[in-house]
Amino acid sequence: SAVISQKPSRDICQRGTSLTIQCQVDSQVTMMFWYRQQPGQSLTLIATANQGSEATYESGFVIDKFPISRPNLTFSTLTVSNMSPEDSSIYLCSVATSRDSPLHFGNGTRLTVT
Amino acid sequence: TQLLEQSPQFLSIQEGENLTVYCNSSSVFSSLQWYRQEPGEGPVLLVTVVTGGEVKKLKRLTFQFGDARKDSSLHITAAQPGDTGLYLCAGAGNAGKSTFGDGTTLTVKP
Repeated sequence: SAVISQKPSRDICQRGTSLTIQCQVDSQVTMMFWYRQQPGQSLTLIATANQGSEATYESGFVIDKFPISRPNLTFSTLTVSNMSPEDSSIYLCSVATSRDSPLHFGNGTRLTVT
Repeated sequence: TQLLEQSPQFLSIQEGENLTVYCNSSSVFSSLQWYRQEPGEGPVLLVTVVTGGEVKKLKRLTFQFGDARKDSSLHITAAQPGDTGLYLCAGAGNAGKSTFGDGTTLTVKP
């Protein structure tokens, strides 16, 4: 299975600033996704990171707030822009090798906005 | 929108007890996964069930997929403190996207 490195693992940021989270996979993968999770709760899909094109966002998430890059099949970034305390959460990168395969996750980035 | 409801939301038991976690939906899924997540880590896949009525065993864990592929259960026999964690079911959706259940937080006390 793919090994996913995500960084930073945690950060404390001030309101109004932006944070970019990196996700590096040790092999080429077809699909990469970004999820958000409140501690101890379910996962909410933010967007699908598409290689070489704009990400596909889920309802309630927009590119201006969560710009995503995916320059190749092994790397993606998620930026949380103009942060507010409501953005405090765990952000998870995940990958799937095909449409029918299960997801593999990074260890997440725990973000606290003060 | 496909929704998955898990129950119970929280479960605290003594070591050695048995437990069952349920995952229910009004939608049909082509496959369903169970994940376990520990604090500070991402979810880790436990099992994938694909066929209606399928039963899979993983040591002390037994997973069942409903005949109609709308629901699933996870049964743990003789729970151990190492089983403590957040258990998530997820249904496979379009284009590789998964819908996750609410999660069940399990605490096994020694």
